Amino acid sequence: EAGVAQSPRYKIIEKRQSVAFWCNPISGHATLYWYQQILGQGPKLLIQFQNNGVVDDSQLPKDRFSAERLKGVDSTLKIQPAKLEDSAVYLCASSLGGRALIGELFFGEGSRLTVL
Amino acid sequence: QKEVEQNSGPLSVPEGAIASLNCTYSDRGSQSFFWYRQYSGKSPELIMFIYSNGDKEDGRFTAQLNKASQYVSLLIRDSQPSDSATYLCAVNAGGTSYGKLTFGQGTILTVHP
Repeated sequence: EAGVAQSPRYKIIEKRQSVAFWCNPISGHATLYWYQQILGQGPKLLIQFQNNGVVDDSQLPKDRFSAERLKGVDSTLKIQPAKLEDSAVYLCASSLGGRALIGELFFGEGSRLTVL
Repeated sequence: QKEVEQNSGPLSVPEGAIASLNCTYSDRGSQSFFWYRQYSGKSPELIMFIYSNGDKEDGRFTAQLNKASQYVSLLIRDSQPSDSATYLCAVNAGGTSYGKLTFGQGTILTVHP
């Protein structure tokens, strides 16, 4: 079974530039998450999708971050314009419907963003 | 107060010893509790979950939950160097928040030979 795929793995940009991250979840997983993990901290949920609908985006900085999940499969997370404090690893995770109830999230390798 | 707080690390134990990792949470209505392991530069992976008060054992790992004290712990028996990683405690509030995990900051564990 293929895991959660993310790209790019690494990205370096200057502040005020834009960046986009892509995620392809495990086939058949209805729930998709984007987490932000700043160095030395635990992951923080940015947005949760159930199929192509948003379940929770309460911690997404909507003035600069946007995310979409077209057709309920792949997802893109965009940051525009980036700030220094956005430097982090962006983790995409997916879960198989009901198994989300037990918190079994499958994480991708992450996209490491450095903002200079 | 942080929603999920873990004991400050890093924690260093000798090979073969018991490693004890602790976590407290602020939301008394939390329903389910998880321990994820994250190797350096890698993504988190689920190793244990627990819903009910008491102990749950899986091989060398034991999760303990005390909802009255809002406390969760993970014990690793016969620690091995391969257990060296960051351990993340995560909590699910349940209800309409299913699948939404709030993570602690993590505890770095080092098992030295």
